[in-house]
This record gives sequence, C-alpha cells and structure tokens, in this order.
Amino acid sequence: IAGITQAPTSQILAAGRRMTLRCTQDMRHNAMYWYRQDLGLGLRLIHYSNTAGTTGKGEVPDGYSVSRANTDDFPLTLASAVPSQTSVYFCASSDEQGEGNEQFFGPGTRLTVL
Amino acid sequence: GQNIDQPTEMTATEGAIVQINCTYQTSGFNGLFWYQQHAGEAPTFLSYNVLDGLEEKGRFSSFLSRSKGYSYLLLKELQMKDSASYLCAVPLPSGGYQKVTFGTGTKLQVIP
Repeated sequence: IAGITQAPTSQILAAGRRMTLRCTQDMRHNAMYWYRQDLGLGLRLIHYSNTAGTTGKGEVPDGYSVSRANTDDFPLTLASAVPSQTSVYFCASSDEQGEGNEQFFGPGTRLTVL
Repeated sequence: GQNIDQPTEMTATEGAIVQINCTYQTSGFNGLFWYQQHAGEAPTFLSYNVLDGLEEKGRFSSFLSRSKGYSYLLLKELQMKDSASYLCAVPLPSGGYQKVTFGTGTKLQVIP
C-alpha cells in the first residue's frame, strides 16, 4: 500500500441498506477525515479522528458513523442509506503535529443511493 | 464561523498568468491552504500560508493578507494540465489544526 486507499471505488446501493466505506493509510498519520463532495457545495467534513480511539463530528455527521480501532483504518458506515447520501466520499489523513498539516486524500468512493 | 468565497469558474490561455482569489471570514486565523483537484481525482496540496506576503513555488505562488481576509493563487506559464479546480481552505479555529473548511473551489479552464 502506498499512501491512502479507499474501497470500493464505486457502489450503487438501495435506500435503506447498510454500507461501510473503507479507508486505509500506511503513513502512520494520527489524524484522519471523511469528506463528502457534492456539486456546488464543495468538500464538507463528515467525521474526523485526531488519533486512534477518538473520533469527532464534522460539519455534516448525521446518518454517518465512524470508528478508529487502530492508526491505519478509518471506516465510514451509513446505517440506513438515503438518496441524499449520493455523493463522492473522500478519506484523508494528516500528521497531527504542528500547523500547516497538508491532508493526503484517497482516490474517493462514488456512492449512488437509489 | 467560517465563510470562504471563490469565483466559480475562470478561463485563461495557455502560456498566460492567472490569479485565483479567495476571501475568507473566520473568528480565528490558523493559516490558509490551497489544493488542486483535477476532474474525477482527489485533491492534492499546493500551498500553506500563515504569514502575510507571497510564497513562490515554481510556477505557482500564493499570497496572503490577514488584515484583508484575502488570498490568491497565482499560476504562471499556464499549461493545459493546469485545467483543474482550485480549492481554498482554512482551519476551523476551535478544531485544532486538523479540521479545515473548504471553499467550493474555482474551476479553471486553460485554452490553447
């Protein structure tokens, strides 16, 4: 693994189904993030984690949950998908230390909820 | 709260110079980021400014004026591959350095 990966690349999901988007990084970054990106709205933070074992809510957390059992993995779960959750989801990570921490983004997951 | 404004779209000619502006309002300032995002791809980091002035990195430069709540990204000697969206972002004042708010981005089209 080089950098940050996400799976699946794309998914079509029926409304009401449960879905987990996977994110793994091998850079030993403490901080990880989940964003959704929608046309005209830009990137919006869903949830974040400053370090393994801790998580926090971002700008649009409703309908999503995350866990951070270890440094490398940060899955995002949609408990019961709704059409408004159709979006492109990006996972990112950054080094916790200091200011100006650039975020490294995964390739994204394109999710369609029907 | 955070408020970031950028032009939605810009067009420029190959070989020319283009300036992409970003204005922001924040209750506390912890620096400003610029990211580049090609269509269908992930954003990638371009620059970070925390002090006033111009920082140059090859063909790309970023400027910051904290008193005016204003930044710009300057792209010189434009190439076709510079066609992308450019995202301005500022860290949330209460979220440490990790949480940032992104603008909606400026889509730049470079034409021959």
